[in-house]
Amino acid sequence: AQTVTQSQPEMSVQEAETVTLSCTYDTSESDYYLFWYKQPPSRQMILVIRQEAYKQQNATENRFSVNFQKAAKSFSLKISDSQLGDAAMYFCAYRSAFPGLNAGNMLTFGGGTRLMVKP
Amino acid sequence: EAGVAQSPRYKIIEKRQSVAFWCNPISGHATLYWYQQILGQGPKLLIQFQNNGVVDDSQLPKDRFSAERLKGVDSTLKIQPAKLEDSAVYLCASSPALSTHPLHFGNGTRLTVT
Repeated sequence: AQTVTQSQPEMSVQEAETVTLSCTYDTSESDYYLFWYKQPPSRQMILVIRQEAYKQQNATENRFSVNFQKAAKSFSLKISDSQLGDAAMYFCAYRSAFPGLNAGNMLTFGGGTRLMVKP
Repeated sequence: EAGVAQSPRYKIIEKRQSVAFWCNPISGHATLYWYQQILGQGPKLLIQFQNNGVVDDSQLPKDRFSAERLKGVDSTLKIQPAKLEDSAVYLCASSPALSTHPLHFGNGTRLTVT
């Protein structure tokens, strides 16, 4: 079974600065997807960024980028020019590319990192 | 496009009582998911539907939890009887098809069992 670990329960960043959130995972599969989700106090999970394991190029979405190290099974999220609205829980998630006939979109989530942004 | 709607937003019950949560997915989304998120943890999948059929309920505690999606649209998740450890946020999500992303999540129902 796959596991996802986020070793930083809390992180803090000054507004306009850059912060990196860590995520490691364990899998025996060669093809899979990795995601970062943001969960603000409203509790709605919002997709921030997605990475396909077969792609060597790191995904970027505006101020958000990832550092995907497949051999090390590491998937960190970098937030540049941090804004007050970035304050939230961030979850790393894993999904097999070939989950089997019935597994569909079964995501395995890490335990989350609470990001605080200081004005 | 309207998002995933869930109700109620909060619910407080005593142990051994029953409770039901409702979810209305995004129009046209065939796949619906219920996740349980215990405080301080990431969400865990309980059950997923494709239209009105169950695709995966392997992590649903079937002795007390049940879910249905009778007409392939709205879904209800029920707990009977509730235990203290059921205190959590219950998130509903939907997607257009079984393996498409992203999942669209609702705001969840926070359940407190006393």
